[in-house]
Amino acid sequence: DAGVIQSPRHEVTEMGQEVTLRCKPISGHDYLFWYRQTMMRGLELLIYFNNNVPIDDSGMPEDRFSAKMPNASFSTLKIQPSEPRDSAVYFCASSPLAGGPSRTKQYFGPGTRLTVT
Amino acid sequence: QKEVEQNSGPLSVPEGAIASLNCTYSDRGSQSFFWYRQYSGKSPELIMFIYSNGDKEDGRFTAQLNKASQYVSLLIRDSQPSDSATYLCAVNEAAGNKLTFGGGTRVLVKP
Repeated sequence: DAGVIQSPRHEVTEMGQEVTLRCKPISGHDYLFWYRQTMMRGLELLIYFNNNVPIDDSGMPEDRFSAKMPNASFSTLKIQPSEPRDSAVYFCASSPLAGGPSRTKQYFGPGTRLTVT
Repeated sequence: QKEVEQNSGPLSVPEGAIASLNCTYSDRGSQSFFWYRQYSGKSPELIMFIYSNGDKEDGRFTAQLNKASQYVSLLIRDSQPSDSATYLCAVNEAAGNKLTFGGGTRVLVKP
């Protein structure tokens, strides 16, 4: 399997612009997670989906952030309008429902490094 | 607020020695525990998971879990320079599938 695929790998944009990050999970995985990683705050869960349905978006920082999963093989994270404090590495991860709900092993994509100037 | 705490390091270890990493967590109901390795500029990679109290060994890695004391540790035996990375502890909350990550421990293995 190709693993979790993310695009773009790097994104540089100006403050106020819309940014869309994309993720293709591992085929057959039921769960998809969006994370943000910064030096100051570490790795933070933003939102996760189960079978394309958003389950918990309590980590989404504010209304400027939105995420969708229109089908089992594609998800987007959108920031509109972007701000310099959104600069971070954004990871997508997926996991199968194997061994029970509390035992999901998450597999990460390569990440998108976002820089907002 | 569920918390996962790790010493940020760096933990400097001579090549061939044992690296010992610790992690404590606040949610007493946590069920499963994971260790991820992250090289600089790369994504986290799952290297170990443990569900039951005691030890679990996989190659040069041993994970240890003590639910009563709410800590989980990772031992790296025969440390190699290629083990130099940041190691993230992650805890699965009692309900649901969310992982809470610690801040990571940076390990430096010196030849």
